[in-house]
Formats: sequence, C-alpha cells, structure tokens
Amino acid sequence: AQKVTQAQTEISVVEKEDVTLDCVYETRDTTYYLFWYKQPPSGELVFLIRRNSFDEQNEISGRYSWNFQKSTSSFNFTITASQVVDSAVYFCALSEAPGAGSYQLTFGKGTKLSVIP
Amino acid sequence: DSGVTQTPKHLITATGQRVTLRCSPRSGDLSVYWYQQSLDQGLQFLIQYYNGEERAKGNILERFSAQQFPDLHSELNLSSLELGDSALYFCASSADGTGLETEAFFGQGTRLTVV
Repeated sequence: AQKVTQAQTEISVVEKEDVTLDCVYETRDTTYYLFWYKQPPSGELVFLIRRNSFDEQNEISGRYSWNFQKSTSSFNFTITASQVVDSAVYFCALSEAPGAGSYQLTFGKGTKLSVIP
Repeated sequence: DSGVTQTPKHLITATGQRVTLRCSPRSGDLSVYWYQQSLDQGLQFLIQYYNGEERAKGNILERFSAQQFPDLHSELNLSSLELGDSALYFCASSADGTGLETEAFFGQGTRLTVV
C-alpha cells in the first residue's frame, strides 16, 4: 500500500526566512508520480509540481525548489525568502503508475505553514 | 482558476438527507476524480470516472455513488447523511485516464455540513 508521511504538522517562520517541508513516501511500485499541492485559507487545492520516479533532477521555480531522493524516499519542498502569501497548508501526494489503470492520489496529512510578517 | 467548476460551494443539510454535488471538468478532460477532505481522514480518494465509465474506486462508502454523463460532467450523490460526512468534497479532472504527463486540476470544492 502507498503511504505519504509529512511529519511536520505546523511550521512558523518569520518573513524572508527559508523553510523546508518534508515528505517521505512508501510504495512498492517502481514507476510512480509525486506531487505537491498548496491549499491557501480560501480552500482550493493549487497544483505546484509533479515529478515522476525516473526523474531525480531537482527543480527550481522562482522561490520554490524541490529535492527528490529515491534513496531516502523523500521529496522535500523548500521555499526561499518566504512571504506572507506563502501561508497555507501544503500537501505532498503520491500516485501509482498510470499503467495500473487508475490515477489516484494518496495524500499526506499536510503541513500548515505560517509566515509571520 | 483551474477550470474545474464545482457547485454548490456550500451545502448545509440534515442527517438522513440526500444531496448531489456537481462537477464540470476542464474543457477536454475525460477523467473526473472525487476526493473527500475531512479533519479525521485528511484528503482521501473516493472514485474516478473516465469518459463515462467508472475507472477506480477508493474509500467510498456504499451510501455514496457517482456518475459521469455524456457531456463529461459528474455528480456525486451522498445519501443517508451522517454528521461524519461533513467535509470538503473536491472534484479533479485530468486530460486522460492514465494521467500520463498530465496534472490533476482541482475544483474549489463543495463544503458539506451535516447538522
């Protein structure tokens, strides 16, 4: 069975600090997809990134960066120079290989990030 | 705006009642997924439809059912409602049934409160 663990329930940082959100996953599949979503106070789920299991290259998008390490089954998310608008709940999610016939996300419990001005 | 539309945004109903949640996927997307977000269980996959047919089932209760219509919109029916069914229900859509190289875009959710 798949499992995603986000050990940090809540994190508070002061604006402009860097913050890393941890994500550890478990799966028996060799092909899978990892995701991060942001849920601001308004409630919608905003897609941030998808990474497949064969692509271990780290990715940077503006102030956001992701570190994927298969050896430790981790897919961590770093926000550089945090801003108040980054305050939200962040979810890491895992999907088994599409070839299995379904595309269902297993979500972690989420990490609530509060950025204090 | 993800392009996925869910109605209504809020719903308050009594225990024992039945409600229908509606989802219009992004234009061209064939797959629709339903998820439930509750304080107890977090975000859970309920069910997936692809081009009108059920593709996968997750932790969906027997009291819940869904369907996808020829125009690709989907409805989630919740019956014999209990207090524990109070949750945020999300619909997501993706371009095809495999999800390969596509994202799942989520709607804004329907917040259901059972009183």
